[in-house]
Amino acid sequence: SQQGEEDPQALSIQEGENATMNCSYKTSINNLQWYRQNSGRGLVHLILIRSNEREKHSGRLRVTLDTSKKSSSLLITASRAADTASYFCATDLRNNDMRFGAGTRLTVKP
Amino acid sequence: EPEVTQTPSHQVTQMGQEVILRCVPISNHLYFYWYRQILGQKVEFLVSFYNNEISEKSEIFDDQFSVERPDGSNFTLKIRSTKLEDSAMYFCASSRERGAYTEAFFGQGTRLTVV
Repeated sequence: SQQGEEDPQALSIQEGENATMNCSYKTSINNLQWYRQNSGRGLVHLILIRSNEREKHSGRLRVTLDTSKKSSSLLITASRAADTASYFCATDLRNNDMRFGAGTRLTVKP
Repeated sequence: EPEVTQTPSHQVTQMGQEVILRCVPISNHLYFYWYRQILGQKVEFLVSFYNNEISEKSEIFDDQFSVERPDGSNFTLKIRSTKLEDSAMYFCASSRERGAYTEAFFGQGTRLTVV
């Protein structure tokens, strides 16, 4: 499969803790994106990291990309109950459009 | 802030009926997409559309599916003869460009229920 695959499938943490989600993919990419989905709602773009970038920050989000390992991680620091959602990585492959992984279901307990 | 809008938010249809799902992409975007998500499962790519033609489609997008941009603003997905397994959330997305620097914007989805 060319699409990203996230792990873990589910993650449960306490408010204030950090949450780390990982994504692996199989082929070369132009960029990798992370999206968030609240239950039953649309996908919201969080951050895009290009293939020539190694790390990117946006507020409490930190994304890393290791093209040699074909993997990315999303770190949410100081998590809040409102961060409870599913998080997907999407790979924008060189010859194909964006493909999503199965997602990580994050639960942040107050 | 500009957004992608989808109508209806929920559609119930009888098996075998045709449905048309509608989307209004962001006005200055050139690339349009349909994805679907069966309940509790991953988001699956269906089709991308650029310059009034399909640029890529997945194996899911068989002959019962079609897309159209009938005017300058709407982007539609038609399912000719719905099956029970077509029940899913269908998401439309658009982007300014395709490739390395693209952020795609998604609509809130249409929940299709085939009975």
